[in-house]
Amino acid sequence: DQQVKQNSPSLSVQEGRISILNCDYTNSMFDYFLWYKKYPAEGPTFLISISSIKDKNEDGRFTVFLNKSAKHLSLHIVPSQPGDSAVYFCAASEASGGSYIPTFGRGTSLIVHP
Amino acid sequence: DAMVIQNPRYQVTQFGKPVTLSCSQTLNHNVMYWYQQKSSQAPKLLFHYYDKDFNNEADTPDNFQSRRPNTSFCFLDIRSPGLGDTAMYLCATSEGSEAFFGQGTRLTVV
Repeated sequence: DQQVKQNSPSLSVQEGRISILNCDYTNSMFDYFLWYKKYPAEGPTFLISISSIKDKNEDGRFTVFLNKSAKHLSLHIVPSQPGDSAVYFCAASEASGGSYIPTFGRGTSLIVHP
Repeated sequence: DAMVIQNPRYQVTQFGKPVTLSCSQTLNHNVMYWYQQKSSQAPKLLFHYYDKDFNNEADTPDNFQSRRPNTSFCFLDIRSPGLGDTAMYLCATSEGSEAFFGQGTRLTVV
């Protein structure tokens, strides 16, 4: 019973174009959302996050959009670069006993072609 | 500047032979987690510590145990590994809402 779903296992984009990675969640108690990036043979690294009180957060080329009513978030990368090629994990969390425990999606493998 | 360090990076163990994976952190975070990630699946939380308070996920097999002797170190013990325990094991720490991950230990049970 996946609470965080990334329905696209892979995405292929041309360099310079926009990459849009999507994520859906089912638990309405989630109040913090994160995107992690993972290269082969490395652990996930934090990319960008958004609180449930916002609908957009931007950091350079990366923007995350949150639609709470649809329980949907997306990560936009503009412009995409070959170095962005990696697996992107969506994660959602709720406060539990003073800590936030991330629940992850399966990931989307992004390939950016030169 | 490694902040969350997992050892070993790769581990091969025999079916049924106990194995221990280790994780250390230099961040002094009070929360430490262990996740299991099988191929093409989402990382699955096994358990986490909030300081010394241990929290086990309901569906974590009894075969998996954990120890946190101090703030910096956390261990994952698999008492009798089965072939289905072959996976990447990820350790993470957090102080707030962002988790910091180690590079993972790829465990293969043969």
